[in-house]
Amino acid sequence: AQSVTQLGSHVSVSEGALVLLRCNYSSSVPPYLFWYVQYPNQGLQLLLKYTTGATLVKGINGFEAEFKKSETSFHLTKPSAHMSDAAEYFCAVSYTGTASKLTFGTGTRLQVTL
Amino acid sequence: DAGVIQSPRHEVTEMGQEVTLRCKPISGHDYLFWYRQTMMRGLELLIYFNNNVPIDDSGMPEDRFSAKMPNASFSTLKIQPSEPRDSAVYFCASSLGGGRTANTEAFFGQGTRLTVV
Repeated sequence: AQSVTQLGSHVSVSEGALVLLRCNYSSSVPPYLFWYVQYPNQGLQLLLKYTTGATLVKGINGFEAEFKKSETSFHLTKPSAHMSDAAEYFCAVSYTGTASKLTFGTGTRLQVTL
Repeated sequence: DAGVIQSPRHEVTEMGQEVTLRCKPISGHDYLFWYRQTMMRGLELLIYFNNNVPIDDSGMPEDRFSAKMPNASFSTLKIQPSEPRDSAVYFCASSLGGGRTANTEAFFGQGTRLTVV
């Protein structure tokens, strides 16, 4: 069975500071990994995904994530936070044969302060 | 394309009433997913379809829930009778050709916020 753990339900950073949102997965087969963002009263929007190939993945809005198989992690980072980054972020996993059937983590709410 | 379209955006109903949520996937997508989001349980997959056929409904909480996809451009999620614990945001998502690789992006609608009083 596959699962996703997001450490920290709430993260607060200052504008301009580094953003680090943690995600660890558990999967018996090679996973596909995703980060989605949800703004208030909106649906989920894909930030980035890892399928195969390069382990450092760049996404929209300056976000990137690195797949580390040895650590079973897929942490999301952004060098400099902006007020507009305030949202909820979800890590998700799927694997071959499950037709994009995503298993989501519990989410991390990012707060950006002045 | 306008993206995945869900209706209504908000629904308030009384306990015991029937509720129908609607979804129009992105044209050409062959997978459709229904998710439920609550504070307690997060995002849960309820059911998904491939080419209008239900593939996995193991996430449907109980027999009060049913979903249909009569054609490639429309799906419904019905709750009958509704209960206060069904209050949640229900999302529909669609994707293209995820069957073999499962690495394709799922596009989400804006959700329906259901309140059962």
